Amino acid sequence: GAVVSQHPSWVICKSGTSVKIECRSLDFQATTMFWYRQFPKQSLMLMATSNEGSKATYEQGVEKDKFLINHASLTLSTLTVTSAHPEDSSFYICSATETYEQYFGPGTRLTVT
Amino acid sequence: AQSVTQPDIHITVSEGASLELRCNYSYGATPYLFWYVQSPGQGLQLLLKYFSGDTLVQGIKGFEAEFKRSQSSFNLRKPSVHWSDAAEYFCAVGARGADGLTFGKGTHLIIQP
Repeated sequence: GAVVSQHPSWVICKSGTSVKIECRSLDFQATTMFWYRQFPKQSLMLMATSNEGSKATYEQGVEKDKFLINHASLTLSTLTVTSAHPEDSSFYICSATETYEQYFGPGTRLTVT
Repeated sequence: AQSVTQPDIHITVSEGASLELRCNYSYGATPYLFWYVQSPGQGLQLLLKYFSGDTLVQGIKGFEAEFKRSQSSFNLRKPSVHWSDAAEYFCAVGARGADGLTFGKGTHLIIQP
């Protein structure tokens, strides 16, 4: 089946710094990728939809200037958390679509100290 | 607006017993329904999906789900659970890969020996 990877799997950064998370579709081309956020013991919340070659579409309440998304190729989307603060600590999961199905990455745990 | 309700936050089942996890949805168009499983600290694994056709769908690991349009439900079942089934289970609704998914809050499954 289709495989989606994320890098890094775990990152710790200091408050005020920026961190970039990569999402790659390894064996298929994904015109659309999605970014979700999951707080501990909670559900996944859609943050944004990323289309190759165009600007991301953000869900209501998601700060587009804080969560920068770039979808530069059909196999790579990146999420940059800018000026991170402790409240940005969370589990970030991406997914990529092939045909009619979404394939999820393993997630990236971000801890901001 | 679309929504998914998983009324059971926790469920405890004895190993070998049958399992049913409930899911109710609200969706304006034809729903595409999914069940995912998440082990601690891991990404999501697709158990099964319903797009159209037979309302009883079979998935991996011996799971099945039944779509009931009249009840707006998509309950997940397994005839005999194994200790390895202990995990978090999420029901989700969305379009066919075109839109991000809306997830329920999840049901935490505990297996008693």
